[in-house]
Amino acid sequence: EAGVAQSPRYKIIEKRQSVAFWCNPISGHATLYWYQQILGQGPKLLIQFQNNGVVDDSQLPKDRFSAERLKGVDSTLKIQPAKLEDSAVYLCASTTQPNYGYTFGSGTRLTVV
Amino acid sequence: GESVGLHLPTLSVQEGDNSIINCAYSNSASDYFIWYKQESGKGPQFIIDIRSNMDKRQGQRVTVLLNKTVKHLSLQIAATQPGDSAVYFCAENDAGFQKLVFGTGTRLLVSP
Repeated sequence: EAGVAQSPRYKIIEKRQSVAFWCNPISGHATLYWYQQILGQGPKLLIQFQNNGVVDDSQLPKDRFSAERLKGVDSTLKIQPAKLEDSAVYLCASTTQPNYGYTFGSGTRLTVV
Repeated sequence: GESVGLHLPTLSVQEGDNSIINCAYSNSASDYFIWYKQESGKGPQFIIDIRSNMDKRQGQRVTVLLNKTVKHLSLQIAATQPGDSAVYFCAENDAGFQKLVFGTGTRLLVSP
């Protein structure tokens, strides 16, 4: 079974620029999550999708972050404009259903300078 | 590669020792718990899970214990190996919100 795919692996941008991350979950996994992991901390949930609908985006800074999962498969997370404090690893995870077997991708490491 | 966590609590053990990593959780409504291992530059890797109707679950070289009375979770690794060196996170799933919430993490260092 292929894992959760994420790209790019690394990204360096200047503050106020925009950036997008892509995630392809495990085939058949209806639930998809984006997490932000700041160095030295555990991952923190940004947004949860069930198929192509948003279940929970209460922790997403909506003034600058946006995410979509238009066809209920892969997803993109965008930051515009980026701030220095957005430097982190952005992790995507998927599962067949909440409360069961979450699988994480390797993440995208973002550095904002 | 860049370290996952520079200022995490650290547990240092010798190869072959048994390791115990502890985690306190805060939400009494959580009904599903997972331990993850995260190596530098990688995403969290599933180790073992346990549901709230159990107090112990065993895997290969790993055991998870759940004490709901004091909201405490532990991960026991038998015969720890250098390849076990990583940051370990516990995560709890809130049944009402159906999302994982991660703890702070513990760095495990295994010396040969």
